[in-house]
This record gives sequence, structure tokens and C-alpha cells, in this order.
Amino acid sequence: EIVLTQSPGTLSLSPGERATLSCRASQTIGNSYLAWYQQKPGQAPRLLIYGASSRATGFPDRFSGSGSGTDFTLTINRLEPEDFAVYYCQQYYASPQAFGPGTKVEIK
Amino acid sequence: EVQLLESGGGLVQPGGSLRLSCEASGFTFSNYGMSWVRQAPGKGLEWVSVISGGVESTYYADSVKGRFIISRDNSKNTLYLQMNSLRAEDTAVYYCAKRIYPGYGSGSYHDYWGQGALVTVSA
Repeated sequence: EIVLTQSPGTLSLSPGERATLSCRASQTIGNSYLAWYQQKPGQAPRLLIYGASSRATGFPDRFSGSGSGTDFTLTINRLEPEDFAVYYCQQYYASPQAFGPGTKVEIK
Repeated sequence: EVQLLESGGGLVQPGGSLRLSCEASGFTFSNYGMSWVRQAPGKGLEWVSVISGGVESTYYADSVKGRFIISRDNSKNTLYLQMNSLRAEDTAVYYCAKRIYPGYGSGSYHDYWGQGALVTVSA
């Protein structure tokens, strides 16, 4: 079973700053089968990144994903007020396709 | 437009049963695998179960194996989750989510999510 660890747990930043979120896997995730989801309070998760680096429809290019193997990163350049949310990574390489514990990006 | 609408949530006593439904529209339902993902109050996402599009292969998280049953009726574009022997730790918002491929295994992530149904297990 692949276990995902996300860091930091909470990231306190100001609008306009850059956010760097980490997702580390206990085993290699083949084919970069790693997704990121954004969740705002009271809302369902929303697909943000798939294949480690492909951006889903509707998200601007200030969001980018990178990484391979066991180390993956989500970067949000120039934070906008609507970007403050919780971000989860999920591997879909092996079952069970577990999620990481999440990183909360909050306004400083 | 893809839409997923969950229903059937509510308050149930420990040991009781409940069936969630997820009505899908905006896509050819039988062509895609579907998942249930839950979120306990104030906690993160937990993948629960998955079912393939047509052949109905299924897979469960260890935490619900033997108690929950995922199924689908492709003629009604509806996904189900039958939850038996419910425990307090099953209290959560349950989301149905569409996968991008028909299968339930590797390579398929979730591209659309429903708004969720709250299940509360309490005496």
C-alpha cells in the first residue's frame, strides 16, 4: 500500500506570494499517476492537476505540478484570494488509491 | 454538463444500515468507473470503494470491506453504496466521483465530484 505524506500541514501566506506544497510517497508512483485536488470550505474537491503536471480545465497557469517517482510538488504562483483552500494529492497507480492528508493554504 | 447528485444520507444508529444513491447526468454513465470517497468532519479525504463501468468489478478500502457494497444500475445512470453494520467512525460526508476510464484500477483519476451526502452514525 502506497502512503502519501503532505507537507507542510498548513501554509500561511499573503496574496501575491508563491505557495510550494509537497507530496511524498512511500513507494514509487509509476507513470506519474499523481493527482492534486483543491477543496474549499463546504465544497466538494475539484480536480486541479493530473499526471503530476497536467492542469485540469478551468485552472489558470499560476498553478503548476511537477515531480516523479516519490516526490511531487504543487506550486501556486502569485496567490489570489480564491486560491486559499485545502489541497490534497492522490496516487492512482496502485490500489488502494489513497489520498494524502492535505495541506491547508491560509491567508497570513 | 456532468452532474452527480447524491442522496440518501441521514442519521442512523450504530449497527444500522443506509443506502446512498448518486444520480449521474451529462455523460455516458456505463462508460466510466465510479468511486465513493468520504470525509469525516474536519478531516481529510478517504477513498472508500470503486466500481468499473460495465463488468462491475469492485474494490473496497479495508475499513469498509465486508460491510459496504458498491453497485450501479446503468439503465438508471445511478451509483449506489449500501452501508451495513454502521459505526460511529463511518460518520462523514460521502462523495461520489466519476473516473476517467471504465476500469477500476491503475491510471484512472477522478475528474468530477458530487456535492456530497452527510451520514451521521449516532445513538
